[in-house]
Amino acid sequence: AQSVAQPEDQVNVAEGNPLTVKCTYSVSGNPYLFWYVQYPNRGLQFLLKYITGDNLVKGSYGFEAEFNKSQTSFHLKKPSALVSDSALYFCAVRDINAGNMLTFGGGTRLMVKP
Amino acid sequence: DAGITQSPRHKVTETGTPVTLRCHQTENHRYMYWYRQDPGHGLRLIHYSYGVKDTDKGEVSDGYSVSRSKTEDFLLTLESATSSQTSVYFCAISESGTGGQEKLFFGSGTQLSVL
Repeated sequence: AQSVAQPEDQVNVAEGNPLTVKCTYSVSGNPYLFWYVQYPNRGLQFLLKYITGDNLVKGSYGFEAEFNKSQTSFHLKKPSALVSDSALYFCAVRDINAGNMLTFGGGTRLMVKP
Repeated sequence: DAGITQSPRHKVTETGTPVTLRCHQTENHRYMYWYRQDPGHGLRLIHYSYGVKDTDKGEVSDGYSVSRSKTEDFLLTLESATSSQTSVYFCAISESGTGGQEKLFFGSGTQLSVL
């Protein structure tokens, strides 16, 4: 089965420092990967996706993600964290074994402290 | 949240009672989805629809049924609620399905507690 794993339940970072939220994937064939963010009491919002092409994908709110095929990773990054970036982040993969539906990771809570 | 309304926003019910959650969209998107969100599990797909009267099962469909009689409405029914169905339920929509690499738009969620 296609899957993604988010190894960290929570990531803490100081405002202004770079942040990384990790995601690894397990797929057969070419991976289609996504990042979503969930702010408190809201639904998920799309941040970015990797389908093909450049390994560095730029998304909303200054976020970017680096696709690394050899390490089967798709880590989310931002050069300078803001307190307002504090939220729950989900990595997802298109699951070709499940009608092309998205399979989500367990989520990582990002806490940015002033 | 992208023209998606979920109702009710909160519901408390008792074990064994039927429950229906509603998702209404104003975007005229073809695909609609129901997910449940539980700590440590992320989001898991319950059912989805690819058109009026066209639905299919997701990863965790047992105990749930859905109906889509109009493009704009997608109903999720728990025929006989159980405590294991206590969760936050999210409706999502997409224009052409994730097979086309379309992104999903999510509603604000329904918090369901089954006592």
